[in-house]
Amino acid sequence: EVQLVESGGGLIQPGRSLRLSCAASGFTVSSNYMSWVRQAPGKGLEWVSVIYTAGSTYYADSVKGRFTISRDNSKNTLYLQMNSLRAEDTAVYYCARGRPNYGDYNYWGQGTLVTVSS
Amino acid sequence: ENVLTQSPGTLSLSPGDRATLSCRTSQSVSSNDLAWYQQKPGQAPRVLIYGTSSRATGIPDRFSGSGSGTDFTLTISRLEPEDFAVYYCQQYSSPPRYTFGQGTKLEIK
Repeated sequence: EVQLVESGGGLIQPGRSLRLSCAASGFTVSSNYMSWVRQAPGKGLEWVSVIYTAGSTYYADSVKGRFTISRDNSKNTLYLQMNSLRAEDTAVYYCARGRPNYGDYNYWGQGTLVTVSS
Repeated sequence: ENVLTQSPGTLSLSPGDRATLSCRTSQSVSSNDLAWYQQKPGQAPRVLIYGTSSRATGIPDRFSGSGSGTDFTLTISRLEPEDFAVYYCQQYSSPPRYTFGQGTKLEIK
């Protein structure tokens, strides 16, 4: 059974850093493209970042230069390093697995809440 | 950037009704790269339709997707009580960008 479990969220002050983790089971992270998608309170879904099987990474303009997506193949885990956090980064962060040959996400974690506030 | 505009913002219908949700993109989208999701309060999104018209595993056949180019539609043929939720369309484009529409809230009339 495919499972994605996020962790690492919490309350953090503006300007600080936080690393989110997404532990995967039932499949191999490095064999799939993986993304982070976030949702601010009461708002819609916003794509954040993607890492492809070959290791290439891409980011939304809103986080480029501040966030870094990575994976640890030995731990079968996806990460999101978030630096220089801003109040507008406050959101539930979901990790999601992409469907091969299509542009959608067929598996999602339950999400982890990041609150950026002083 | 490909902007996705969903309409209506809110749709008020009754169980048993037919629901038609629209997603218009500012740039043409490949048929493989348009999907629809359902999200209920406190839950992660769930993919309903991928590749414009393919139902995801376990999705009832009352859900169907259609469209091409810049105009796409999600149709729910006969609404069940559990279908009242928020629906998002989503597309992939190059350079890699995965964009979501702003959502349509389907509420009980």
